[in-house]
Amino acid sequence: DVKVTQSSRYLVKRTGEKVFLECVQDMDHENMFWYRQDPGLGLRLIYFSYDVKMKEKGDIPEGYSVSREKKERFSLILESASTNQTSMYLCASSSGGLAYEQYFGPGTRLTVT
Amino acid sequence: AQTVTQSQPEMSVQEAETVTLSCTYDTSESDYYLFWYKQPPSRQMILVIRQEAYKQQNATENRFSVNFQKAAKSFSLKISDSQLGDAAMYFCAYRSGLNQGAQKLVFGQGTRLTINP
Repeated sequence: DVKVTQSSRYLVKRTGEKVFLECVQDMDHENMFWYRQDPGLGLRLIYFSYDVKMKEKGDIPEGYSVSREKKERFSLILESASTNQTSMYLCASSSGGLAYEQYFGPGTRLTVT
Repeated sequence: AQTVTQSQPEMSVQEAETVTLSCTYDTSESDYYLFWYKQPPSRQMILVIRQEAYKQQNATENRFSVNFQKAAKSFSLKISDSQLGDAAMYFCAYRSGLNQGAQKLVFGQGTRLTINP
């Protein structure tokens, strides 16, 4: 079974803190994604990566950055956390090919106070 | 840009009955893929069913089937013989058929499905 794990299920941070969300997949997938999930808005893509050290902006990249130094690990960084970044963050990975599904992690519920 | 719309924020159904979740999308492309994902209360999102736009036949996976109407840009999910374990948030998603980067998904707003015993 494909496993996508995220470093924390729940996280509470203060405004202005630098926050790291980690994601690891164990299936040698080329592609990795970070989404943000908010009620009524569905999932929105923040950043994605299709290879080590390669990244592309998604639909809402402002206030975020990412790092992919190893194939299995994709990190989301909030440079200076703000209250409007309180949300559920989901990581996903997929193999190459258009028909392949994305496999999701359990999510990190981040609260910024 | 492509958009996906789920107009039913919440749905409920009696156990063992059939329910249909609606999804419409907007695209100018002719080649694409559509997905239904399920997110149970534990939050791990899983794939329910997928449909390739070039296939006319509607996809089926056990109790789950889709009604894909390409001209109408509609992609509804039918769940037959509903079970308590079907209670979840359901998301419709679109992926372009163009081989661009990592083939990102565009998601709808989600429909929360409740199963009444």
